[in-house]
Amino acid sequence: EVQLVESGGGLVQPGGSLRLSCAASGFTFSNYNMNWVRQAPGKGLEWVSSISYTTMYYADSVKGRFTISRDNAKNSLYLQVSSLRAEDTAVYYCARGGAYFDCWGQGTLVTVSS
Amino acid sequence: EIVMTQSPATLSVSPGERATLSCRATRSVSSNLAWYQQNPGQAPRLLIYGASTRATGVPARFSGSGSGTEFTLTISSLQSEDFAVYYCHQYNDWPRTFGQGTKVEIK
Repeated sequence: EVQLVESGGGLVQPGGSLRLSCAASGFTFSNYNMNWVRQAPGKGLEWVSSISYTTMYYADSVKGRFTISRDNAKNSLYLQVSSLRAEDTAVYYCARGGAYFDCWGQGTLVTVSS
Repeated sequence: EIVMTQSPATLSVSPGERATLSCRATRSVSSNLAWYQQNPGQAPRLLIYGASTRATGVPARFSGSGSGTEFTLTISSLQSEDFAVYYCHQYNDWPRTFGQGTKVEIK
């Protein structure tokens, strides 16, 4: 069974940092592009970042503050989130796919508040 | 950036009736358009990709159509589990963008 499990969210002060993780299982992780998508409370979906084997893409709203990475040996995807702002408060989902997103994790909540 | 606009924001439909959801792009995305369903407290689920191809396990009552800038998701006969929020998503260009969602509620 294909599974994605996020972790690492929590409460953080403005300006703080966190490292989000996504553990993948049930498929050959290295063969797939991976993504982070977030959803602010009561709001819609917002694409955040994507990574192929060698290329990373970022939404303008997070460029320079967030860094996506992957460890194919550990079947894991990461998102280092820094210089956090209140508007970064959201559930962060990891999702599989280089085009459409065919598998999603359950998400991890990041709350930015003092 | 390609802006995706969904209409209506909320659609009130009785069980068994047809629902038609629209998604419009500010410039052509060819057929690089997906639809997702999201129930409260759950992750999104892929329904349609390539504008009209149902994902694995998606019931035949869901169908997608369109290309270029105009797309439609049709649910032919609404079941109780179909009352949810639906999002369109273009993957033709960077940045990837989503519509703001259409909530399908029970009338």
